Amino acid sequence: GAGVSQTPSNKVTEKGKYVELRCDPISGHTALYWYRQSLGQGPEFLIYFQGTGAADDSGLPNDRFFAVRPEGSVSTLKIQRTERGDSAVYLCASSRTGSNYGEQYFGPGTRLTVT
Amino acid sequence: SQQGEEDPQALSIQEGENATMNCSYKTSINNLQWYRQNSGRGLVHLILIRSNEREKHSGRLRVTLDTSKKSSSLLITASRAADTASYFCATVIIQGAQKLVFGQGTRLTINP
Repeated sequence: GAGVSQTPSNKVTEKGKYVELRCDPISGHTALYWYRQSLGQGPEFLIYFQGTGAADDSGLPNDRFFAVRPEGSVSTLKIQRTERGDSAVYLCASSRTGSNYGEQYFGPGTRLTVT
Repeated sequence: SQQGEEDPQALSIQEGENATMNCSYKTSINNLQWYRQNSGRGLVHLILIRSNEREKHSGRLRVTLDTSKKSSSLLITASRAADTASYFCATVIIQGAQKLVFGQGTRLTINP
């Protein structure tokens, strides 16, 4: 079956603009995660959804970042007033359920560049 | 901040040799997972070891876990050029959310 997909694969935007990054999880996976990875570093957790609700948003760096998952499937990560420091690869992952502490399935990521 | 520390940061070996990567972490965990990443994009899950397990095998992969030392190692035997990638350990902490806490990774290069 299809894996996790993310669009766009690359996004270049100017400082101060608004961007939306989309994630389509594996069908039937109730848990969805967003991570951010800077060059040469490991991914860092941003937010975790169980169904439609954000169960843990402790990794969002500030209030410019927001994510939604209105129907419990597709999720959108929204970044307002982008800054150059937001440049990174944004990774989405899903898992069958959030309760078994199991493996996560990652998408290919969106590379965001803020100029 | 990231919990894991990986060692070495970069490793270059000849094809056919074994590659060993180490990971240390700070807090008690539910499990530890190893992921592989090619070209800085999506990660692929390799193996999961639970806190009550000491060793696990999957094909050419062998993972050990020492909870008393808060460390893990990943051994890739009989390495191949296609094993060239970055390898990350990630922990799921006890009484925490489901999030993975990643180390900084080891960049492995297999020379033909």
